[in-house]
Amino acid sequence: DIVMTQTPLSLSVTPGQPASISCKSSQSLLHSDAKTYLYWYLQKPGQPPQLLIYEVSKRFSGVPDRFSGSGSGTDFTLKISRVEAEDVGIYYCMQSTQLPLTFGGGTKVDI
Amino acid sequence: QVQLVESGGGLVKPGGSLRLSCAASVFSFNDFSMSWIRQAPGKGLEWISYISSSGSAVSYADSVKGRFTVSRDNAKNSLYLQMNSLSAEDTAVYYCARYTRAFDIWGQGTMVTVSS
Repeated sequence: DIVMTQTPLSLSVTPGQPASISCKSSQSLLHSDAKTYLYWYLQKPGQPPQLLIYEVSKRFSGVPDRFSGSGSGTDFTLKISRVEAEDVGIYYCMQSTQLPLTFGGGTKVDI
Repeated sequence: QVQLVESGGGLVKPGGSLRLSCAASVFSFNDFSMSWIRQAPGKGLEWISYISSSGSAVSYADSVKGRFTVSRDNAKNSLYLQMNSLSAEDTAVYYCARYTRAFDIWGQGTMVTVSS
């Protein structure tokens, strides 16, 4: 199984300041079809997760452009250029390059 | 608005069974693969099953293989999860989600509590 490791476990940020979360996979997420199936989700308190970023760096519909994803192979990063109060919650990375699908342990972001 | 609504959760004794349902609306359910993901209280997300759009292909996490069965009825726009031999470790919120390599649409979840 591919193990997804996120750091840090928690992050306290000041509104308007940037934030960054790292996600490392135990194996390369580059698929034989040349795509990298790495995703980022945000779970706000009391809500189901919502998709933010797909295939490493593509913003999902309606996601503000202050969110960006980058990386390749086994190292990935989610960046928030200027954190807003509504960005609090737990961020998860996930891979679907290989079954079983696996999530990172989550990074809790608060203000 | 595209929507998934889970139902069927509740309190069940260890060793018992439960069947979860997920009703889809607005989108063409039979065009999409689906999955179940669970979240134990205060814990992270765990993918547990996948079913292809036709239902011909399924896959399970090792933690539920042999005990859980995923199925779907495309005529009813519904997804199901039959859960048998439940234990305390299965206590969680169970989400259904549309799978497009990403989980792009999630339901609100249904709580399953396994306790005597």
